[in-house]
Amino acid sequence: GQSLEQPSEVTAVEGAIVQINCTYQTSGFYGLSWYQQHDGGAPTFLSYNGLDGLEETGRFSSFLSRSDSYGYLLLQELQMKDSASYFCAVSLRGDSSYKLIFGSGTRLLVRP
Amino acid sequence: DSGVTQTPKHLITATGQRVTLRCSPRSGDLSVYWYQQSLDQGLQFLIHYYNGEERAKGNILERFSAQQFPDLHSELNLSSLELGDSALYFCASSVAQGALGTGELFFGEGSRLTVL
Repeated sequence: GQSLEQPSEVTAVEGAIVQINCTYQTSGFYGLSWYQQHDGGAPTFLSYNGLDGLEETGRFSSFLSRSDSYGYLLLQELQMKDSASYFCAVSLRGDSSYKLIFGSGTRLLVRP
Repeated sequence: DSGVTQTPKHLITATGQRVTLRCSPRSGDLSVYWYQQSLDQGLQFLIHYYNGEERAKGNILERFSAQQFPDLHSELNLSSLELGDSALYFCASSVAQGALGTGELFFGEGSRLTVL
């Protein structure tokens, strides 16, 4: 089977740094991406890692280690508007099929 | 605005009924994905269509079916509805299957289904 694990909730203070981890067990792994979803809203794409290492996009960075089946999303200089759910997702490639499978999400609460 | 349009935004119906959810992908996108999100849950992958052909199935119930039409819009049909089918149903599109190499899907605002 396929599984992704991420913490259910994280709390941090405005201006701080927070790291959300994601571990996965899958077959046909192609890459790891991260999405943000505010309550009642649509998921929006944040970042993607196809290769090992760190990808930086503004205040957000994402990391992947294929050998460890592990990745994380790093959010710096936290702002109140960063309070949302964050989902890791794995791209899976089969013979002729493509899937994007999401984790159960991490709810981030940013406190003043 | 992602460019993906879903209708209806809200739908309330009774158990045993059938509903159809509609999705128009972004202009030029050939791939359409459907996801189900129950309250405070993750996004469960249902099905993927590419240029009119089914390409991957997830945990989609037999009571559910989908199609992608020649104009690339897609419909998700839910029948014999049960209380547990109440959820947000998201459609997402990408330019091609290879877009999974970038992990980027564009999501619509969702259709909220309530089964009473």
